[in-house]
Amino acid sequence: QVLLVQSGADIKKPGASVKVSCKASRYPLTGYFIHWVRQAPGQGLEWMGGVDPNIGVTRSAPKLQGRVTMTWDTSITTAFLDLTTLTPDDTAVYYCAGETYRENVKSFDSWGQGTLVAVS
Amino acid sequence: QTVVTQEPSLTVSPGGTVTLTCSSSTGPVTSSSFPNWFQQKPGQPPRALIYNAIDKHSWTPARFSGSLLGGKAALTLSGAQPDDEADYYCLLYHGGPRPWVFGGGTKLTVL
Repeated sequence: QVLLVQSGADIKKPGASVKVSCKASRYPLTGYFIHWVRQAPGQGLEWMGGVDPNIGVTRSAPKLQGRVTMTWDTSITTAFLDLTTLTPDDTAVYYCAGETYRENVKSFDSWGQGTLVAVS
Repeated sequence: QTVVTQEPSLTVSPGGTVTLTCSSSTGPVTSSSFPNWFQQKPGQPPRALIYNAIDKHSWTPARFSGSLLGGKAALTLSGAQPDDEADYYCLLYHGGPRPWVFGGGTKLTVL
């Protein structure tokens, strides 16, 4: 199973940017996608987007486009989430989650421990 | 925009059986929706239980099973234990610009 380890909690002021990292170990060389998911306090899960480490494809939710960048650094096998122009509504725990995919299979199987980002 | 709907809360007795469902505003949930189910306990990240509607991970307890039922994805818990008290989320694939959408979650109480 892939191991995903995230960076620590962060506190930001409104208007600032935040960068969250997710280091992946033992991920497959094909058919793997790292998603970003956030959870506001007391709320449900929200899919934000993600990156395919092997082919470099990125996807992001329409409501976040323009404020979010998702990247992958092969040299350190780490995914990054950059979110700009923060507002208090961005206060949440941010998770990275790994999806194994192939024909007729899409399996979310690994989750990072979560990173709390507080905007205040 | 696509909305995925789950029961907000359900209660099951210890040893009992309960079924959680997951529906989509775009139409019937099928195998092409690649339903995934997760369990989340307070202060913890979600834990994957089911993928592809019916397939279990190696760590998924046998008392959990997934299915497609009447145009919805379903998660059935047979023989509920106190440790199963948690929030459960489904995730559906829709393709397009917002390919993955989570349901709002079901708070399951074992009482």
